[in-house]
Amino acid sequence: SSELTQDPAVSVALGQTVRITCQGDSLRSYYASWYQQKPGQAPVLVIYGKNNRPSGIPDRFSGSSSGNTASLTITGAQAEDEADYYCNSRDSSGNHGVVFGGGTKLTVL
Amino acid sequence: EVQLVQSGAEVKKPGESLKISCKGSGYSFTSYWIGWVRQMPGKGLEWMGIIYPGDSDTRYSPSFQGQVTISADKSISTAYLQWSSLKASDTAMYYCARRRIAAAATYYFDYWGQGTLVTVSS
Repeated sequence: SSELTQDPAVSVALGQTVRITCQGDSLRSYYASWYQQKPGQAPVLVIYGKNNRPSGIPDRFSGSSSGNTASLTITGAQAEDEADYYCNSRDSSGNHGVVFGGGTKLTVL
Repeated sequence: EVQLVQSGAEVKKPGESLKISCKGSGYSFTSYWIGWVRQMPGKGLEWMGIIYPGDSDTRYSPSFQGQVTISADKSISTAYLQWSSLKASDTAMYYCARRRIAAAATYYFDYWGQGTLVTVSS
């Protein structure tokens, strides 16, 4: 089965740019999607596909991919961006499976 | 407006059975796969399985195969997750989410339910 690896925690100064990464073999074949989860709330999709934002997601969120690594970049981080971020990818083993990364706790200083 | 509304929190004893629900509205319920995701206390997201309500085609994560049953009733636009015998380790928040397909056959979950907290304790 596939695995996706994320750094457990990342911090960024208010207004600065931060990149959150996700590594895994399945990312060589499939794009990652990214989800923001704030305490006590359900996850919210922020990036999907090559670099698509759902309606309502600020354009400071962007996604990219290279080889086995997908990245979520927040350009000009805001206090409200402090949250857990999870990457997700289709499982290369098939059966409609997906796999989530372990999550990255983003702290905005 | 697309919505997935889940049933309320449950408190159960070990060995009891449970069925939680996820009702979709605002879209064609039979045309999109619905997945279930577990989040144990203080932990990350885990994919459990997925169902296509149109024909009830169901797939499970190997980690959850045989541990839970996923079903759907398309007549009432509702998906279900059930346990026949709960364990304390089933204590978690459970989310349903609608799955879409993006470029390069990539999967993603665009709408999520609010979550159902299941607590299993003697």
